[in-house]
Amino acid sequence: GNSVTQMEGPVTLSEEAFLTINCTYTATGYPSLFWYVQYPGEGLQLLLKATKADDKGSNKGFEATYRKETTSFHLEKGSVQVSDSAVYFCALSDRGNTPLVFGKGTRLSVIA
Amino acid sequence: DAGITQSPRHKVTETGTPVTLRCHQTENHRYMYWYRQDPGHGLRLIHYSYGVKDTDKGEVSDGYSVSRSKTEDFLLTLESATSSQTSVYFCAISVDRAQPEAFFGQGTRLTVV
Repeated sequence: GNSVTQMEGPVTLSEEAFLTINCTYTATGYPSLFWYVQYPGEGLQLLLKATKADDKGSNKGFEATYRKETTSFHLEKGSVQVSDSAVYFCALSDRGNTPLVFGKGTRLSVIA
Repeated sequence: DAGITQSPRHKVTETGTPVTLRCHQTENHRYMYWYRQDPGHGLRLIHYSYGVKDTDKGEVSDGYSVSRSKTEDFLLTLESATSSQTSVYFCAISVDRAQPEAFFGQGTRLTVV
């Protein structure tokens, strides 16, 4: 079946550090891939997406590239801020078959 | 922000009582979902709907039922609440199969004592 595996957290970084959160997936077809962010006490918000191999999704300084050969969609940011502290979820949709399959989430804490 | 309203936002109930959570959308999206979020488990799908009166089970559907009599409303019912159903429940919506990204409500924190 379809699944998403994320690196376990929590991840703690100093402000302005480089961020990578690893995400790999298993899917039977050619999925669309997503990153969501959840701030404390809130619902999930779509951060970025990619719908085909080699696509790069980007938003708010975050980016992720759809790598079919390694079945990966790692989230990166060049310089994190305290306001980036949140839980990040990787997700996939296989051939448009809803609903989304989520990873377990990675908690990021950024300290000043 | 997508127009999704969950009610109530917080609820405490006793074991064995029925509970209904409501999700209301103003986007006219076809798909609606109920997830639960628990530490160490991430988000798990309970039930979803692909149209009025059309629903299907997710991976953790036991003990839950749903109904969708109108496009805009999706109800989740716990027939007889148990402590294992203490969780944060999220409703989500999506447009269709061509646009599968989901948009989430703010969540309902349910405590079963």
